[in-house]
Order: sequence, then structure tokens, then C-alpha cells
Amino acid sequence: DAKTTQPPSMDCAEGRAANLPCNHSTISGNEYVYWYRQIHSQGPQYIIHGLKNNETNEMASLIITEDRKSSTLILPHATLRDTAVYYCIVRVPGTGGFKTIFGAGTRLFVKA
Amino acid sequence: ETGVTQSPTHLIKTRGQQVTLRCSSQSGHNTVSWYQQALGQGPQFIFQYYREEENGRGNFPPRFSGLQFPNYSSELNVNALELDDSALYLCASSQTPGQPQHFGDGTRLSIL
Repeated sequence: DAKTTQPPSMDCAEGRAANLPCNHSTISGNEYVYWYRQIHSQGPQYIIHGLKNNETNEMASLIITEDRKSSTLILPHATLRDTAVYYCIVRVPGTGGFKTIFGAGTRLFVKA
Repeated sequence: ETGVTQSPTHLIKTRGQQVTLRCSSQSGHNTVSWYQQALGQGPQFIFQYYREEENGRGNFPPRFSGLQFPNYSSELNVNALELDDSALYLCASSQTPGQPQHFGDGTRLSIL
């Protein structure tokens, strides 16, 4: 079962910041938060990940609350090409390895 | 740097048949994971291989099996195909089990 909760869909105006929330209230101390996105007909694309500090790269910023129970992915200047399904996941140690559990994600629509 | 490539892109099989899907990981990536993605849902973890040994498994029956080869290629084998096996099958590679994964664009499998 997925351990994250995301809104099913969101809209954003082109050029504005897109803020995508994620709840992961049962996250454990050694689990990282990862964000991926999937554009139609393609495989998921890695965006960013973090443990407890805020992270930024050329694609996005990741803000993790102090209690680590939720996070927000920020696309600072959304473009039409950012329209995709965004997945927030936590890495779960599996039987001798890691299991990556995807939920249903948030479908982001960027509108002109 | 070459990305993750999967073959074939599309495949049609009938119930009861067996299928082999192939993946070529990025050079230097010792970890490969396979996912099943039904229409409208997030990817579901099948299993992971690290240095040619299974390193974690999701809730899939034994008729789903895999192999990883020293040349960074891998296979997903599914026996006794069922109608519910119709899905997009994704391969993802990473340098180690804990690193961000790079996905291929998948094989679309249809069972008639």
C-alpha cells in the first residue's frame, strides 16, 4: 500500500509557481522522499529527493516540514511541458532491498 | 550517456502464453527494478535485482520472474499470462539500490 497522499489533480497558470503537496505521516527516520513525474506515454522521470533538509536543483525545489510528515514540490515557473502526473514516494526498505511504492499521483495541468 | 531502453515497445499475447521483456540499463548501473503500470494507475513494484541477484520483491506471484546479466541488460519473464497482466511494464536502473532510478519508456503488453 502507498504511504503517501496527494491531491488527484491541480491546475497552474503558465509562468506561475506550481506547489504540489504530499502527506507522508507514517514516514520513518531513514526514509527519503522522492518525486517523479510521468508525461503521457513516457516512463517516470526523476525530479528530486530529500531526507529532512530543503533541496533545490535545476528542475524544482523540495520543501520538507520539520516533522517530516509532509512535503511540497515547487516548480518555480511552470510551463506547458510541465503538464504531467507527479508522484511523491517514500523509499521503503524491502526484503533485502528497497521497494519503491507509487501512489496515484497528482495530475498537474499547466494552462496558458 | 545512453538511457534505459526497453524492447519491444508493444506486444500482444494470448492467455496462457509466456512472455519475455527486455531492458538495457545505463552503463554502470548495477541495480534494475521492474514495475507494472495498469491504465490510470501508478507503477507497482514487481522486483529489484542488484548485481544479478533478486534484492526485493513486491506482491506479485512466482510466475513473474527476472534475470539480470553482467552487461547491464535484464529480462522480465511472465508465465501463464492472464488478462489482468495487460499493462505497461517499466524498467528502471540506478547505480545502487538507494539511488534515484532512471526509467525506460516501457513495453505495452496486451493479453487477448
